[in-house]
Amino acid sequence: AQSVTQPDIHITVSEGASLELRCNYSYGATPYLFWYVQSPGQGLQLLLKYFSGDTLVQGIKGFEAEFKRSQSSFNLRKPSVHWSDAAEYFCAVGSNAGNNRKLIWGLGTSLAVNP
Amino acid sequence: DADVTQTPRNRITKTGKRIMLECSQTKGHDRMYWYRQDPGLGLRLIYYSFDVKDINKGEISDGYSVSRQAQAKFSLSLESAIPNQTALYFCATSGKQGGELFFGEGSRLTVL
Repeated sequence: AQSVTQPDIHITVSEGASLELRCNYSYGATPYLFWYVQSPGQGLQLLLKYFSGDTLVQGIKGFEAEFKRSQSSFNLRKPSVHWSDAAEYFCAVGSNAGNNRKLIWGLGTSLAVNP
Repeated sequence: DADVTQTPRNRITKTGKRIMLECSQTKGHDRMYWYRQDPGLGLRLIYYSFDVKDINKGEISDGYSVSRQAQAKFSLSLESAIPNQTALYFCATSGKQGGELFFGEGSRLTVL
């Protein structure tokens, strides 16, 4: 079955610390991968996406993610977390760039940042 | 102004009432979506529309209906609201090639 797993429901880090949010997927076709962020009281915003090419993808707000096909993973990283990064993070996988109705969403990881 | 605007942002209603959530966008996108977000269940697609004459059910369409009044407007209706429809509802848009979704700020609905 196709699925997206975000193993960590909640993570707390200190401001300035590095961050890695995990995303594992099970998908039968070539995956197109996304990370979205939802700040409190806001809608979701795209952080970055992977369709093809370089497996290390740079996104907005200093985030990056690495696609590892052998591990079926697309982990999100940031070298130094800011208090404003506290939010909910969602990983999603789809079959192609034009087929959002088939997006499969993870349940999200809630990030808290200690001062 | 936001590119994707949802109204109302918050609504409390009673069981059996008809509710409409409205979405308008200035992105010029053809594709519009309605999602529902519940704690522990993530985002689930209710309905989507790829153009004004195209309406499709998502994974959880029962109890909901939609109307695509124009390219820029896509409304979600609950004909007879029930408490388990209490949730945060998001409208989203995307371009013809899909890819990035642009979300509204959400409409929080509480059904008593």
